Parts: sequence; C-alpha cells; structure tokens
Amino acid sequence: QVQLEESGPGLMQPSETLSLTCTVSGFSLTSNGVGWVRQPLGKGLVWMGTIWAGGSTNYNSAVQSRLSISRDTSKSQVFLKMNSLQPEDTGTYYCARHSSVQLTYFDYWGQGVMVTVSS
Amino acid sequence: EIVLTQSPTTMTASPGEKVTITCRASSSVSYMHWYQQKPGASPKPWIYETSKLASGVPDRFSGSGSGTSYSLTINNMEAEDAATYYCQQWNYPLFTFGSGTKLEIK
Repeated sequence: QVQLEESGPGLMQPSETLSLTCTVSGFSLTSNGVGWVRQPLGKGLVWMGTIWAGGSTNYNSAVQSRLSISRDTSKSQVFLKMNSLQPEDTGTYYCARHSSVQLTYFDYWGQGVMVTVSS
Repeated sequence: EIVLTQSPTTMTASPGEKVTITCRASSSVSYMHWYQQKPGASPKPWIYETSKLASGVPDRFSGSGSGTSYSLTINNMEAEDAATYYCQQWNYPLFTFGSGTKLEIK
C-alpha cells in the first residue's frame, strides 16, 4: 500500500537550514510526483513545492528563494531543504503524493512532522 | 496567481441538516479539489475534479461548480462530518488551497 513518512528535526533555530526527508513506499518516485505542504499551528494548508515524476520541480513563489526539493529514487526518498528559517516557518510539514490523473491532486499524505523555529 | 476564498469560515450544523460550503476563485478555473482534515490528522482527499468522490467518502457528499464558484454539499449532516474542509486548485505551476471551512456539529 502507498505510504509516505516524513522525518526531520523538531526544533530549529532562526537562520538555520531545515532538512526534511519523505520516505515513500508502495509507488515509484518516477511514476508520481511528491509535494510538500506546510500548515502553521491552527491555520490552513500552504503548498511549498513539488518534485515531479520526471524530476523537475516547482516552488511556491513565497519561499522559492529559500527552498530546494530533491530526491533519491533508489532510496525512494524526497528531500526538502529550506534555509534562513524564521519563526513564521513553524508548523507541520506534510509530504503528499500527486495523483496520476491529469488534474492532479494529493491522493496520499504522510502523517506530518512538526517543526518549531525558536531561539 | 489564483486566490481561493471559502465561505463560511466556520459553521455549525445539526444532524440531518443540509450543508453547503463554497469556494470562489479569483479567476475562472475548470475544476476544484476538496480535502477533509480532522484535528491532529493529515488532510484526506475528499472530492476531486469538482464532483468525484474519493475512495471511502460517503455518498451524502457531493461537489459541483464551474467558472469561479464551486461547492461541497453534505446531505444529512452526520457527527463524523465535523471537520475542516479545504478547496484546492492547480493552475500550473502553482497549487493553491482555500483558507478552510471549519464545520462543527450542534
């Protein structure tokens, strides 16, 4: 069955670089894209970026200058790196699989990892 | 960039009541997806491509709309439907979520 699992540090300091890993199973990263979605505590969902099945990426313009998404297909892992962290980057980070349909949506989600940015 | 505005922000419904949540897009779009999220849980796909129910979604849910106005409707509200619902659109290369509608049960 399809599964996604996020991992990474829970507490970060301002100005540090966040590194998160999404380990997937039940599908191939060369068949489906994977996106990252952030949710500040008590607030709504914000798409951060996506790495597509072909390896290309798209980013939310609000974080594009600080964000990088990459992958290791042999390990079935997708990576998020975001630099210059600020307290407003605090929230739960989800990775989610893109459906295979043309009008793609997120059909499977990880359980999320909480990241707190605080000095 | 397309902005999605959901209404209402919060609502309360009684069991058996009909519920409609609206998502308005700042520009015309050709479809809408919806997600359900309960406290402490990840979002779940709920309705995709405007009107298709995701796997396991009860048929008391339906979706409709076109252009700039889309809606999610629940016929006969049940306690388990209490959640926050988000609409979402993909206007290549950007994904956008609505701000969410929190639906509570009376």
